[in-house]
Amino acid sequence: GAGVSQSPSNKVTEKGKDVELRCDPISGHTALYWYRQSLGQGLEFLIYFQGNSAPDKSGLPSDRFSAERTGGSVSTLTIQRTQQEDSAVYLCASSLVRRADEQFFGPGTRLTVL
Amino acid sequence: TQLLEQSPQFLSIQEGENLTVYCNSSSVFSSLQWYRQEPGEGPVLLVTVVTGGEVKKLKRLTFQFGDARKDSSLHITAAQPGDTGLYLCAGYRGSNDYKLSFGAGTTVTVRA
Repeated sequence: GAGVSQSPSNKVTEKGKDVELRCDPISGHTALYWYRQSLGQGLEFLIYFQGNSAPDKSGLPSDRFSAERTGGSVSTLTIQRTQQEDSAVYLCASSLVRRADEQFFGPGTRLTVL
Repeated sequence: TQLLEQSPQFLSIQEGENLTVYCNSSSVFSSLQWYRQEPGEGPVLLVTVVTGGEVKKLKRLTFQFGDARKDSSLHITAAQPGDTGLYLCAGYRGSNDYKLSFGAGTTVTVRA
């Protein structure tokens, strides 16, 4: 079956512009995570969605970052007024249930802010 | 500061050699996972260990969870070029925790 998909795969933008990153989780997966992976760093948790519950936004680094999940499926991560330090790979993962043994990751979106 | 410290950061070996990657923490984890990530792709789960002292084998890969559940290791026997990748350890701290904490990763290169 189809895995987690993300688009675009690469995004180059100018400092100060807004960007939207999209994630399509595996069908039927109720949990969805966004992570950020900077060069030489592990994955940094950003936000977690579980069903219709309020999202856990505790990992968002600033109020320029926001995310939504529509209809319990597709999610969009929005970064406003991008800064050079936002350059990273943004990974989305989904799992069947909360605290599942396995999170399934998408290929990521590489964001470069010039 | 990373909750999980991985070492070494980089490892380059010849095909056929053995290697070990370490994942350490001062905190107790209810379970630890190992992922492998290849360039341009997301991490893929290799194994989950949940019991202190547990040893799991996956073909040439052996995973161990420390008795105190604060550390783990990944050992690869007779490494092959296909083992090349970024190896990440990750764990859930509490039994109700749903957020994985990741180590910074170990980049393994196996030369033919």
